[in-house]
Amino acid sequence: GAGVSQSPRYKVAKRGQDVALRCDPISGHVSLFWYQQALGQGPEFLTYFQNEAQLDKSGLPSDRFFAERPEGSVSTLKIQRTQQEDSAVYLCASSPLTGWGQFFGPGTRLTVL
Amino acid sequence: GESVGLHLPTLSVQEGDNSIINCAYSNSASDYFIWYKQESGKGPQFIIDIRSNMDKRQGQRVTVLLNKTVKHLSLQIAATQPGDSAVYFCAENIGSGNTGKLIFGQGTTLQVKP
Repeated sequence: GAGVSQSPRYKVAKRGQDVALRCDPISGHVSLFWYQQALGQGPEFLTYFQNEAQLDKSGLPSDRFFAERPEGSVSTLKIQRTQQEDSAVYLCASSPLTGWGQFFGPGTRLTVL
Repeated sequence: GESVGLHLPTLSVQEGDNSIINCAYSNSASDYFIWYKQESGKGPQFIIDIRSNMDKRQGQRVTVLLNKTVKHLSLQIAATQPGDSAVYFCAENIGSGNTGKLIFGQGTTLQVKP
């Protein structure tokens, strides 16, 4: 009964570098979500997939942020030309169906220097 | 606008006492609510959920109450233990064809004194 896993757990990037964050959802979960959590704040929605289709990307803060889930399982969140304000914990969650409980991974803590 | 907020940022309770964490939401279209527990360095952990057609739901040592009239949600933890110390978030899911995205409040820190 593996839960949601994310890698890497920690990532340090120099400003301007590109980063890729990986999420392995719970097997069989249709829905996958990415959230961004700033220090001392609640998670904020970034984007949502139903299987391989990205149905909502309204939370992505800029066009430097890109997410994909090509085979409807593993997802990758990519951030191009990282900026200091991108420093945060990036959380992935999966759900068996839309409108059901979301189960979160441990997150990736991104620090941009 | 849409918001989910918590009345108290920090709650300190004695071990063994009951804890009540409150949450206000502003979107009357919200039809599903979840409480999460988040420990330092970890992702949010699902505690209990409730749909808008219910006003109470119980789990193991936890109860969630929903008052749609005043748009208020609460989490009750019975016989609070040191392991319950964490930040607690309420989250709402707006209905009517939404994508299922959750809107989180700021969180309440629960401190359990031994």
